[in-house]
Amino acid sequence: DAGVTQSPTHLIKTRGQQVTLRCSPKSGHDTVSWYQQALGQGPQFIFQYYEEEERQRGNFPDRFSGHQFPNYSSELNVNALLLGDSALYLCASANLDRGPDNEQFFGPGTRLTVL
Amino acid sequence: AQKVTQAQTEISVVEKEDVTLDCVYETRDTTYYLFWYKQPPSGELVFLIRRNSFDEQNEISGRYSWNFQKSTSSFNFTITASQVVDSAVYFCALSEDYTGANSKLTFGKGITLSVRP
Repeated sequence: DAGVTQSPTHLIKTRGQQVTLRCSPKSGHDTVSWYQQALGQGPQFIFQYYEEEERQRGNFPDRFSGHQFPNYSSELNVNALLLGDSALYLCASANLDRGPDNEQFFGPGTRLTVL
Repeated sequence: AQKVTQAQTEISVVEKEDVTLDCVYETRDTTYYLFWYKQPPSGELVFLIRRNSFDEQNEISGRYSWNFQKSTSSFNFTITASQVVDSAVYFCALSEDYTGANSKLTFGKGITLSVRP
């Protein structure tokens, strides 16, 4: 049973560019959340998708957008990259239909470096 | 607003010592969930335990134990007889009530644990 997978593993971009990160949830999961983890910090919630709609959003600017596909996989898009966007981007999945008493499983992350 | 504080930043112990990682949280919700995650150098967050606010029963699982006290808003984690493989960053996290454990997680800044042989 495959866990949460993310691609690519590493990415280098320059300021002003746009980037797309991808996530495939754990089998049987229908909800995908994205987190940004700056070096030496805890993960910060970006947003969560369920049934192809944004369900919750953290305190991130509109440059951060996402999408969820019918197969539950998800993309995170960041426009007009800034140096401060350099971070580890983590994807987490869960099954909302199982109710509140279950946990989110995290992927290995995508390391984004903005030069 | 929710907040998780992990006052310890780095802890270094010698193998076989016991170590306790502290976590203090703030929330206005009456029902919430608390978590501990482990992050090894590979980067992937590994789930360790989940507790909801109604369940103050402390638990022991192998070398791991947890102490949840609502009166002091603390959710501490103890590793007994630590091993080198326990070296990692440990995060405490809090989840809002109305959507349960699947919802937004608020993390602390993490505690870097180094276990020396």
